[in-house]
Amino acid sequence: QQQVKQSPQSLIVQKGGISIINCAYENTAFDYFPWYQQFPGKGPALLIAIRPDVSEKKEGRFTISFNKSAKQFSLHIMDSQPGDSATYFCAASIPNTDKLIFGTGTRLQVFP
Amino acid sequence: ETGVTQSPTHLIKTRGQQVTLRCSSQSGHNTVSWYQQALGQGPQFIFQYYREEENGRGNFPPRFSGLQFPNYSSELNVNALELDDSALYLCASSLAGTRKETQYFGPGTRLLVL
Repeated sequence: QQQVKQSPQSLIVQKGGISIINCAYENTAFDYFPWYQQFPGKGPALLIAIRPDVSEKKEGRFTISFNKSAKQFSLHIMDSQPGDSATYFCAASIPNTDKLIFGTGTRLQVFP
Repeated sequence: ETGVTQSPTHLIKTRGQQVTLRCSSQSGHNTVSWYQQALGQGPQFIFQYYREEENGRGNFPPRFSGLQFPNYSSELNVNALELDDSALYLCASSLAGTRKETQYFGPGTRLLVL
């Protein structure tokens, strides 16, 4: 019940295309859903986050779509660029704690 | 504003040894969390420190222990190292008291146990 399931494991997108990564959770008590971007040899960096009281959040080319009833959320990267090539992790937070439960990651490769 | 820093960047130990990893939190942050990230996996929560006390722990054995100091920096200690402890160890800092604290990660310490 504490898991966050992430798919796909890897994704190849052409420059200018849309990258979509999906996550699903079971614990309805989760109250914060961040996405992290990680480059090789670096720590994860917060990309964008959403709370369950909104269905969508957009920041630049990055959008989170949140479906509370389906217990799913997704990251959309519009106009994908080669510089977006990295591993992306979704996560969920347990209420009243800072503990993050991470998905297994999606390796995104954007080709010119 | 300084970010989260960790030391050392890389470390090689042998099975059975002990290791200490260090983390300096981002300026103004009072909470430190530690995560273990095995190769090709997502980070796994080890524990969190707030006001120098452990404030939550994941599914890790007692040989994983930590400290937080008055300046909010932190140490992760691992005793009796096992081969499976080889991983990237990440420290994340946040500011407790805000509505859903955002965690900022350091670059990690890569530990190899031989």
